Amino acid sequence: NAGVMQNPRHLVRRRGQEARLRCSPMKGHSHVYWYRQLPEEGLKFMVYLQKENIIDESGMPKERFSAEFPKEGPSILRIQQVVRGDSAAYFCASSPGTGGGRSYTFGSGTRLTVV
Amino acid sequence: AQSVTQLGSHVSVSEGALVLLRCNYSSSVPPYLFWYVQYPNQGLQLLLKYTTGATLVKGINGFEAEFKKSETSFHLTKPSAHMSDAAEYFCAVSNNNAGNMLTFGGGTRLMVKP
Repeated sequence: NAGVMQNPRHLVRRRGQEARLRCSPMKGHSHVYWYRQLPEEGLKFMVYLQKENIIDESGMPKERFSAEFPKEGPSILRIQQVVRGDSAAYFCASSPGTGGGRSYTFGSGTRLTVV
Repeated sequence: AQSVTQLGSHVSVSEGALVLLRCNYSSSVPPYLFWYVQYPNQGLQLLLKYTTGATLVKGINGFEAEFKKSETSFHLTKPSAHMSDAAEYFCAVSNNNAGNMLTFGGGTRLMVKP
C-alpha cells in the first residue's frame, strides 16, 4: 500500500509561469490537505478537500492559487503566475476521515523554486 | 483559534544526553496534540499523538511526551540522544471540530554532537 504520493519532487518555474502540484492520497483516504512550508518556518494550512468538494480554503491566498480533488485522479494544487515568494515546500496529507484526532499521512512534498 | 509555540528554534545536545523539546499550545476546546519529525528533504513522520486518556504518551524511536493541561504544554523527551535523532521536530494541535486541520509550531531543529 503506497503512501501519499506527490509529484514532482522538485519543480523549477520562471516568474509568471504556472505550477501544478499533484497529490495522490493513500488508498482508502478521501480527505486531502495541502500545507506550505516556507524556508525556516513551520507548515501552514492552505486547503482541505474531499472528493469534488473544497471544504475549507481559509489558508489559501486569495489570488493565483486554486485546488481541486476530482472524482477520479489526484488532487491538484495550481499556482498561476508564480512569484519568487511562492518558493516553498508544498506538502499534501491524506486521512480516511475526520474526528477523533485522526493523524494524517504526509507525502514527501514538492519543492517549488521560482527563478 | 489555536496556536502552538515551540521554545527554541535550535537545540543542541550531546549524544547520550537527555533530549527536551518544548511545546506550548492554546486551544479553546480540548486539543489533540502531535509531534512530527522531518528529516532533510523529506515529509513529516508522526512520532506520537495525544487524543484522550493517559497523559504520558509513548512514541517511536524512544520518544515520549506528556500532556499537562494546567501548563498547556506537550513537551517531547527522550532519555538518551542518538546521532540519528538529528532532524527538525514539529509540534501540532488540532481538534475534532476543525476538520482535523493541524496548526503547527515553528519547529525545533535538533542537533546531536558526538
